[in-house]
Amino acid sequence: DGGITQSPKYLFRKEGQNVTLSCEQNLNHDAMYWYRQDPGQGLRLIYYSQIVNDFQKGDIAEGYSVSREKKESFPLTVTSAQKNPTAFYLCASSIRSSPNEQFFGPGTRLTVL
Amino acid sequence: KQEVTQIPAALSVPEGENLVLNCSFTDSAIYNLQWFRQDPGKGLTSLLLIQSSQREQTSGRLNASLDKSSGRSTLYIAASQPGDSATYLCAPSPGAGNMLTFGGGTRLMVKP
Repeated sequence: DGGITQSPKYLFRKEGQNVTLSCEQNLNHDAMYWYRQDPGQGLRLIYYSQIVNDFQKGDIAEGYSVSREKKESFPLTVTSAQKNPTAFYLCASSIRSSPNEQFFGPGTRLTVL
Repeated sequence: KQEVTQIPAALSVPEGENLVLNCSFTDSAIYNLQWFRQDPGKGLTSLLLIQSSQREQTSGRLNASLDKSSGRSTLYIAASQPGDSATYLCAPSPGAGNMLTFGGGTRLMVKP
């Protein structure tokens, strides 16, 4: 089955800890994205990557880091510098040419204890 | 910077009604616009994508229209069903392989 997987589904973090969220896709998409969703708010872009070994900051990149060593994988690290990391994190992917439809994974819910 | 507004924020209708969800955006220089559905605690499911050169797209009971010049898109749901209950999100994109900007969504409840 082709699609996007995210793990874990739920993640609990103590204050001061770094955690890494996994995102894998087998759709052969070049572009991958990380969004954050807070209750009652729309999604906001954290980072995106259009090709391997390259990525750009989105609107709310502070306190987050990413890597893109493989086409299939785009892990997101939530660092201790992120002041309010409790949120629902969604990963997406797309081709880089028309029509550029983005497909989303099931999400990871991160809670800071 | 693109800003997206969705009206209404919440909507409750009896089963069988036809309904319209509205999306407005401030920057008309878009490449395409996607409509998504999100069930509670789940990821987003893509419903329809309209490219900037298109006026509308249809999938089953769903029809999405786009008026780039006025910065508006509408999602029409015909003969609504309880299974349509979800949050609907619209998101324009400025270019291929580029980010989406999301509205706050419309939370739809269809009552049996």
